[in-house]
Amino acid sequence: SQQGEEDPQALSIQEGENATMNCSYKTSINNLQWYRQNSGRGLVHLILIRSNEREKHSGRLRVTLDTSKKSSSLLITASRAADTASYFCATESRDDKIIFGKGTRLHILP
Amino acid sequence: SQTIHQWPATLVQPVGSPLSLECTVEGTSNPNLYWYRQAAGRGLQLLFYSVGIGQISSEVPQNLSASRPQDRQFILSSKKLLLSDSGFYLCAWSGTFSGNTIYFGEGSWLTVV
Repeated sequence: SQQGEEDPQALSIQEGENATMNCSYKTSINNLQWYRQNSGRGLVHLILIRSNEREKHSGRLRVTLDTSKKSSSLLITASRAADTASYFCATESRDDKIIFGKGTRLHILP
Repeated sequence: SQTIHQWPATLVQPVGSPLSLECTVEGTSNPNLYWYRQAAGRGLQLLFYSVGIGQISSEVPQNLSASRPQDRQFILSSKKLLLSDSGFYLCAWSGTFSGNTIYFGEGSWLTVV
């Protein structure tokens, strides 16, 4: 069953703008991860945030986690054409299973 | 370093035919192994999850099965494919500790005709 739900399903922004994607989940988690998928390829890990963390940065990526609201956000600053991809959140539940959401398709316009 | 291999990359199979997708991991021991399916333009659905040899958890009822004959080998099978089995199948592994990253293979495109 799906655990995470990303929002929006699709997002188009101009190059240079910031992109924000959200993820909501249902049950208690150990951690939450964000992944990126280029069309027709495997997923690549971007960043992990643990349940006791509230914010994490990695380069142009900023992830927040609000366990009280069971939600997370991924912010990509100063977007580039190469950021065009699908982005997925994945939650690790207490029984160590990792479940992915449906993803957000991000399109950076030149 | 760890690597994951998944094959075949592309497969076109008739309805009712059998299926075997294979995945192997190198450079680590006792990994957690996963099979996911992704329908066109959709999210990932967890199909099977294994924490050790012979230990398989099935997440959704279906006509697919999985086996783990060796520590770093994970096989997805079907005796008779359905049209609805078409999709992009991804094998993945992670360490056995909480908070481990999942590493994905490049995927297998299955088209059932």
